[in-house]
This record gives sequence, C-alpha cells and structure tokens, in this order.
Amino acid sequence: SQKIEQNSEALNIQEGKTATLTCNYTNYSPAYLQWYRQDPGRGPVFLLLIRENEKEKRKERLKVTFDTTLKQSLFHITASQPADSATYLCALGDYKLSFGAGTTVTVRA
Amino acid sequence: DTAVSQTPKYLVTQMGNDKSIKCEQNLGHDTMYWYKQDSKKFLKIMFSYNNKELIINETVPNRFSPKSPDKAHLNLHINSLELGDSAVYFCASSPRDIDTGELFFGEGSRLTVL
Repeated sequence: SQKIEQNSEALNIQEGKTATLTCNYTNYSPAYLQWYRQDPGRGPVFLLLIRENEKEKRKERLKVTFDTTLKQSLFHITASQPADSATYLCALGDYKLSFGAGTTVTVRA
Repeated sequence: DTAVSQTPKYLVTQMGNDKSIKCEQNLGHDTMYWYKQDSKKFLKIMFSYNNKELIINETVPNRFSPKSPDKAHLNLHINSLELGDSAVYFCASSPRDIDTGELFFGEGSRLTVL
C-alpha cells in the first residue's frame, strides 16, 4: 500500500541552526512533491513545489531536494528562527495530493 | 479579505445528527476540495470538484455528501453523525485540476461528535 513517512514527529533545534526534515514514500510515483507549513489551529500554507525531474529547489531560507531513486525528499530550514516553529507537511502529487503526518519543528531562542 | 473561508469554525453535536459545513473561495479557482485531518494529524482527501463536477471521491461513507452550487462554493453535508467523524475538516482550492497547483486551505472546521 502507498505510504508517506516523515522522519520524527518532533524536531527541536537551536536558533540559527539548520533544521532538516525527511519525507520518504513507498509505492508512489509522484509527478511532484510539495511542502506545506501548518500552525496550530490554522490551515496548511504552501511553501515549495519540486517536480520529479528537479533535484533541488530554493526559496529564501528554505531548500528542498527530491530523489526519486531513494524515494525521498529533504526539506531544510537554514538559519532557523523561533518564527519557523510549526508543523511541516510533505505532500505527493499524482492524480491527487496525498499528505504525510508532518514533523513539528520547535526552534529555541 | 479571506481567500478560502469555512463556516462554522467549531461544531459540537450529538451522534445521529445531520450537519453541514460551508466553504467559499474568492480566488477564482476552478477546483475545490474537502480534506479530513484526524487526531494523528493525517490530512486525507475526501472529495474534489472541478468547475462543479465531482472528480475525486475517495472511500468515504455515503453519509458524507458534497455539493457544489457553483465553482466558488463547496459544501459538505454529513448525515447520521458518528463518533469517528470527529476531526478537523479543511476546504481547499487550487487554480486548476490536479496538476502542480498549490492548494489554498481554509482555516478548518473542527467537528466534535458527542
């Protein structure tokens, strides 16, 4: 069966460090992968999209990689700030968008 | 001006009741969705409409009935509510059919069935 796994449920890091989140999938052949941010009590907000033929995408302090051989995406937040504290969801796209359970990141000042 | 708005934000009701959640988007998008987020935070797609036409209907009990009166609105009606229906329901829209378009989510409607 299809499965999307995001590394740990929670990640605690010091301000200024890089947070690295993992999204692994099985039994999918996604055409693209997206990352969303969700704050408590709010709806998810789109951050980045990367297509199957792209290796890396950047947006400000965010970087996403996509390895279709390893069936894995890595999501990096560089120079992290307390305002980056949130849950980050990966989503795989084929005929629909399917989400992982998310990783909650807490950045300590 | 809210892009995707859902009402109500909170809904507490008894088992067996019927309830509706409304969603409206002012982004001019053609495609709208309902997602369910359970207590484990998994977001699962329930339905998708493209220009008022149902295009995705996941394995959802037929107690759940979506209705799209026009492409800016997608409502969700739930009959005979059960305890397991308790969750946060998110409406979303995207600029085009399932392609690479990002989803714009509403703030969610938290349903609690007692």
